[in-house]
Amino acid sequence: NAGVTQTPKFQVLKTGQSMTLQCAQDMNHEYMSWYRQDPGMGLRLIHYSVGAGITDQGEVPNGYNVSRSTTEDFPLRLLSAAPSQTSVYFCASSAGAQNTGELFFGEGSRLTVL
Amino acid sequence: KQEVTQIPAALSVPEGENLVLNCSFTDSAIYNLQWFRQDPGKGLTSLLLIQSSQREQTSGRLNASLDKSSGRSTLYIAASQPGDSATYLCAVRPAYHKLVFGKGTKLTVNP
Repeated sequence: NAGVTQTPKFQVLKTGQSMTLQCAQDMNHEYMSWYRQDPGMGLRLIHYSVGAGITDQGEVPNGYNVSRSTTEDFPLRLLSAAPSQTSVYFCASSAGAQNTGELFFGEGSRLTVL
Repeated sequence: KQEVTQIPAALSVPEGENLVLNCSFTDSAIYNLQWFRQDPGKGLTSLLLIQSSQREQTSGRLNASLDKSSGRSTLYIAASQPGDSATYLCAVRPAYHKLVFGKGTKLTVNP
């Protein structure tokens, strides 16, 4: 009954370091996405994927890379961390367009860049 | 560009009160609308999903309505409890790949 699992839950980085936030879902969902949540800005879409091998940019993609080699996993890579990337990151998934499209979220990954 | 607004930003009520949270959106061309709950430091929990062809959905003490023509949705909470204290977020899905979120209403239910 795992749903959407994100790791790590907390991370502190120094400016310029790189890291990967992991996201896995066990619901066989086609759609997966990454959002960041910042005070006063709400949730903003970073990248999304509509199936294995298919990814695209969202509203705020700069500084982030994604890949989707399997249906289950959708990692988010920070290439060279900047203080502006301090945020809470959420991974979300939903079934394909022919289904209800209800979005399920992970518990979040809290990232601080010093 | 689709924009979602939630008013009020914060709401404080005594326990037992019935209350309504409001969500408005600027473009009626949506795939569906979803209400979420977020507790401090936690992820988003889906409460109710209303497809574009539906008018309302109910789950326990919660009832959500959708009026696409006026660009409005309401979340009705009956007999509020302190455990209902959380931030409630509304999101519309204008396309399959994208959700647009409001900034939420922070609800406090006082014992």
